[in-house]
Amino acid sequence: AQSVTQPDIHITVSEGASLELRCNYSYGATPYLFWYVQSPGQGLQLLLKYFSGDTLVQGIKGFEAEFKRSQSSFNLRKPSVHWSDAAEYFCAVGFNDMRFGAGTRLTVKP
Amino acid sequence: KAGVTQTPRYLIKTRGQQVTLSCSPISGHRSVSWYQQTPGQGLQFLFEYFSETQRNKGNFPGRFSGRQFSNSRSEMNVSTLELGDSALYLCASSTQDRDEGQYFGPGTRLLVL
Repeated sequence: AQSVTQPDIHITVSEGASLELRCNYSYGATPYLFWYVQSPGQGLQLLLKYFSGDTLVQGIKGFEAEFKRSQSSFNLRKPSVHWSDAAEYFCAVGFNDMRFGAGTRLTVKP
Repeated sequence: KAGVTQTPRYLIKTRGQQVTLSCSPISGHRSVSWYQQTPGQGLQFLFEYFSETQRNKGNFPGRFSGRQFSNSRSEMNVSTLELGDSALYLCASSTQDRDEGQYFGPGTRLLVL
């Protein structure tokens, strides 16, 4: 069965620092992988997706993610965090029946 | 293009009642999926409709049901509401082209008293 693990429930980084959010997945075949962001009281916004091809994927808002099949990971990165990046981030696997991780809440310190 | 819209945005019901939530997908999107988000269980897949047919179903009781109309708009219904049904219900739409991904609406926040 497909599943997603986000090991970090809460991460705090300083504005301008780099960010890496971890995601590990379990999937029987080549996975469809996604990162979404959710601001308080809002729906989910798609940051980026991976289906095949280049394992380094560029998304919106300066985010990127790297697919590593050998580690079953799809970690999200950003070189310099802005205060507006504070939100909850979800990794997901699947497609129209996506399974989500528990989410990582990002706090940005001034 | 207009995004996914969901109505109503907020709803308060009492135990035992039933509720119907509506979702209008992005124009041209024929697949609609529903998700429940709660603090305890996180985001959970409810079901997916494509061309008026339920294509996938999550692990929820039969009190949760849905349908899709010929214009791709979808409704979900919850009967005999329980306190634990209080949640944010999210709808997402997508095209047949899986490279596009799913796009979510703002959700309907349901409170059951």
